[in-house]
Amino acid sequence: EAQVTQNPRYLITVTGKKLTVTCSQNMNHEYMSWYRQDPGLGLRQIYYSMNVEVTDKGDVPEGYKVSRKEKRNFPLILESPSPNQTSLYFCASSFSRSSTDTQYFGPGTRLTVL
Amino acid sequence: GDSVTQMEGPVTLSEEAFLTINCTYTATGYPSLFWYVQYPGEGLQLLLKATKADDKGSNKGFEATYRKETTSFHLEKGSVQVSDSAVYFCALKNQGGKLIFGQGTELSVKP
Repeated sequence: EAQVTQNPRYLITVTGKKLTVTCSQNMNHEYMSWYRQDPGLGLRQIYYSMNVEVTDKGDVPEGYKVSRKEKRNFPLILESPSPNQTSLYFCASSFSRSSTDTQYFGPGTRLTVL
Repeated sequence: GDSVTQMEGPVTLSEEAFLTINCTYTATGYPSLFWYVQYPGEGLQLLLKATKADDKGSNKGFEATYRKETTSFHLEKGSVQVSDSAVYFCALKNQGGKLIFGQGTELSVKP
């Protein structure tokens, strides 16, 4: 089944404790992206990647890192999480960056930083 | 910059009522337009899309037409069901490949 998977689905952590949220897609998509969803703000892009070893900042990149060492994986790294990073996070992928290509979303990771 | 504005929720309707969720956009060039749906506790699913002016996207009884002259992509359904209760997001994807979302509209359908 074609899908985007994320792990973990739920995470409660404390300020400053490094964490990684994994994202994997099995559709051979080139373009991958991370979003955060906050009430009243919709989804905002954190980082994106157009291909292996090619990443760039989105609208809200502060406090996050990403890497793209393999085409299928695009982990999100919070090296020193803070309470304002409490949010619902989504990974997404599409075949390319073309405006006509649909982005497919993972199930989401709900992160709470205490 | 490019942006999407959609009507604020929550929207509460009775079963079998007609649904309209307004969405307007601002963009340079020729974006594609999307409606995504988020059911409670789940991720976003593509509901429908349109890639050029006057295209109509449709799925599961929902429809939306890409209107370039009014920069709109309003979502409609003739008869909603309780199972349509969800949050609906309008989005555009610009020519740089960036997906830009509206703030989401919560729909609640009562039996």
